[in-house]
Amino acid sequence: ETGVTQSPTHLIKTRGQQVTLRCSSQSGHNTVSWYQQALGQGPQFIFQYYREEENGRGNFPPRFSGLQFPNYSSELNVNALELDDSALYLCASSLVMNTEAFFGQGTRLTVV
Amino acid sequence: TQLLEQSPQFLSIQEGENLTVYCNSSSVFSSLQWYRQEPGEGPVLLVTVVTGGEVKKLKRLTFQFGDARKDSSLHITAAQPGDTGLYLCAGEGYNQGGKLIFGQGTELSVKP
Repeated sequence: ETGVTQSPTHLIKTRGQQVTLRCSSQSGHNTVSWYQQALGQGPQFIFQYYREEENGRGNFPPRFSGLQFPNYSSELNVNALELDDSALYLCASSLVMNTEAFFGQGTRLTVV
Repeated sequence: TQLLEQSPQFLSIQEGENLTVYCNSSSVFSSLQWYRQEPGEGPVLLVTVVTGGEVKKLKRLTFQFGDARKDSSLHITAAQPGDTGLYLCAGEGYNQGGKLIFGQGTELSVKP
């Protein structure tokens, strides 16, 4: 067990709706990264937060946004959901940006 | 855009056989990591290689980082059913701490 927890574990949403996914980092970790993993693919980097500031973003549209809180927990928000947003969303926390990252179990999002 | 090509995508072998998974890129990485992912779980880090030409062993698993830091391999000796899972390589670019670029994964099935 990595100490990184994500909620909810599964979620079904309708196209056009908005969703918020949550991640609780391992104690003391100040960096969190979010990834999208489509079925049968490797994870793709969405963005990273370091000390509550966005620190890099992958090739995802602005309707993907995030927050990191003072206790280093984090949220991923997706607006105007599309069918292709159906995927496993993973968060990974680390002590600083370039140390070992620990992944949560993921949130399985299904958009219908 | 940095890409990691992983091969093979699928591998089904008998218990006791050896296998090698390859991870190749045209880009140079500061480090490369190998993960194993079980269904419904997040990736779990197996090893990080940081020096060109580096070889690391983890019981029956041998990891190698190419001299030019563009490729890596994972070799499993005498595979066991417990080795079944999705193996992912992930590269970290220079000054890209924590922002991992993943390969598409190798789905390994080891039959008793």
